[in-house]
Amino acid sequence: QKEVEQNSGPLSVPEGAIASLNCTYSDRGSQSFFWYRQYSGKSPELIMSIYSNGDKEDGRFTAQLNKASQYVSLLIRDSQPSDSATYLCAVAMDSNYQLIWGAGTKLIIKP
Amino acid sequence: GAGVSQTPSNKVTEKGKYVELRCDPISGHTALYWYRQSLGQGPEFLIYFQGTGAADDSGLPNDRFFAVRPEGSVSTLKIQRTERGDSAVYLCASSLISGITTGELFFGEGSRLTVL
Repeated sequence: QKEVEQNSGPLSVPEGAIASLNCTYSDRGSQSFFWYRQYSGKSPELIMSIYSNGDKEDGRFTAQLNKASQYVSLLIRDSQPSDSATYLCAVAMDSNYQLIWGAGTKLIIKP
Repeated sequence: GAGVSQTPSNKVTEKGKYVELRCDPISGHTALYWYRQSLGQGPEFLIYFQGTGAADDSGLPNDRFFAVRPEGSVSTLKIQRTERGDSAVYLCASSLISGITTGELFFGEGSRLTVL
């Protein structure tokens, strides 16, 4: 069974620090990797996608992918209280539109 | 519309009743997805439409669940003989083409279903 694992948290990070969120996946055929942010009571919104090994940076966010270790992470620099949310990792095989979702990590940024 | 619209936002029903949940995707989006999310869990795939046809309904939990998209735009998720275990937030998402190639699904705010 294809699985995506995340630490449920909560992960507490001081404002201004770097928040590091991690995700592992079981299917070696996975090709597409996504990080979604979900505020409490709201729907998920895409913040990062990554398709090849290495780092991808977008503003304060950096996604890191290591296919050999089946590991994808999200770094948030200069964390802000508004970053407090649940971060969902989602994975798909290249030809498969079905996303396999982790349960999410709750991030709390403390002022 | 500007975003994915789902109605109702909240639905409370009694066990055994029939429920319909509606999704109006972003105009021009051909791909439409239904997901179900329980508290503390990630979204669970239910069904995927490409245009009018259900390209994959393998996530529907049983034959009490059915979804349609007759004109390739609005979709309705139908649940017959509701059970308490059906209680969850039902999320609809749309994308311009297959969501995986663009990487971006646009979600509605969800319909919270409570079965008493």
